[in-house]
Amino acid sequence: GESVGLHLPTLSVQEGDNSIINCAYSNSASDYFIWYKQESGKGPQFIIDIRSNMDKRQGQRVTVLLNKTVKHLSLQIAATQPGDSAVYFCAETDTGGFKTIFGAGTRLFVKA
Amino acid sequence: DTEVTQTPKHLVMGMTNKKSLKCEQHMGHRAMYWYKQKAKKPPELMFVYSYEKLSINESVPSRFSPECPNSSLLNLHLHALQPEDSALYLCASSQDRGYEQYFGPGTRLTVT
Repeated sequence: GESVGLHLPTLSVQEGDNSIINCAYSNSASDYFIWYKQESGKGPQFIIDIRSNMDKRQGQRVTVLLNKTVKHLSLQIAATQPGDSAVYFCAETDTGGFKTIFGAGTRLFVKA
Repeated sequence: DTEVTQTPKHLVMGMTNKKSLKCEQHMGHRAMYWYKQKAKKPPELMFVYSYEKLSINESVPSRFSPECPNSSLLNLHLHALQPEDSALYLCASSQDRGYEQYFGPGTRLTVT
């Protein structure tokens, strides 16, 4: 069936380093991808998105890369800070635009 | 106002009880969602409303009954739940199909 998965369940980085969180998706027809951050006790928070007609998008300290050839998505966080510690989910939305499937999630630990 | 509110924050109910979860947004969003999230797992889509009409029901058992009284409100009526239904129930909204979703903090539900 359709699924969105992650290569690493946990990631530990030193404060100030760059972080890269990876995600694989299986539905080549998906055309909208989102990264969410979820802190303990809170709902997911939108970080950045990308549509299938793009391969890179940059935000403030974050960059999302989309490789449709291998169905791979990544989130890069520059100069990682302790406040970045959270679980990060990639999510894929079908062409209908409503059905969103979340990946398994990666927990990011930032060491001070 | 970019906030999605959910009430109650916590709910404990017996298997014979009837209760309702409530969600509200005032962003003018036309799509609203219910997700279920078990501990250490990603959110799983349950229902989607678009322009106050049910668009997606992800084969959710009938003991969960969604309702969208108006464009700002979304309810989830609960009846005869099972202990395995204990989870965090998240509400989200988006401008329309194919846009990022804004999540509420969730209702932590325990079924005894």
